[in-house]
Amino acid sequence: QITLKESGPTLVKPTQTLTLTCTFSGFSLTTERAGVGWIRQPPGKALEWLALFYGDDDKIYSPSLRSRLTITKDTSNNQVVLKLTNMAPVDTGTYYCAHKINSGFDYWGPGTLVTVSS
Amino acid sequence: EIVMTQSPMSLAVTPGEPASISCRSSQSLLHSNGFNYLDWYLQKPGQSPQLLIYLGSNRASGVPDRFSGSGSGTDFTLKIRRVEAEDVGVYFCLQTRQPPLIFGGGTRVEIK
Repeated sequence: QITLKESGPTLVKPTQTLTLTCTFSGFSLTTERAGVGWIRQPPGKALEWLALFYGDDDKIYSPSLRSRLTITKDTSNNQVVLKLTNMAPVDTGTYYCAHKINSGFDYWGPGTLVTVSS
Repeated sequence: EIVMTQSPMSLAVTPGEPASISCRSSQSLLHSNGFNYLDWYLQKPGQSPQLLIYLGSNRASGVPDRFSGSGSGTDFTLKIRRVEAEDVGVYFCLQTRQPPLIFGGGTRVEIK
């Protein structure tokens, strides 16, 4: 059974760097075409895709956030880590990680709400 | 960047009646392999999104057959044959044809 769970701070100050960890089980990132994506959702708004990490070390970022995003993996701990620098209030929202194979994001974590405020 | 336009923004449906949601892309989502890279998701109140349809018309595991996806190229439709109370929430389409992956703006479905 595939599960994912996001962890990290619930409150960050403007200009700080957000570090979120996605801990997963039930699949291996070394499986061909398996990936972990990060998606966020401001309160009451639509979903926004941020980044995607494939098992072959292929990393894809949203162009609008590319300069601020870094996605890495910790294979030994079954984790994918997302860093978003220079946080601002507009970055407030729920951050999700999700498993992707073929086309769809078929398994999602419960999400973690991050608030940016001084 | 592909632009995704979803309509309507909201929909109120009588239980047992059908519902239809449209998603249009600014560029074709049809790959040379014959697949349309368009997914549909439902986000129930207070929950994470769940995959309903992938590659345009394939129901994800465990999704009731009252949900169906159709369309090709730039025009796609999600249909609910007979809406049930548990179908309330916000529906999103997502294009995965090329990065960046783009979600539609969402359609809120409520029960009359």
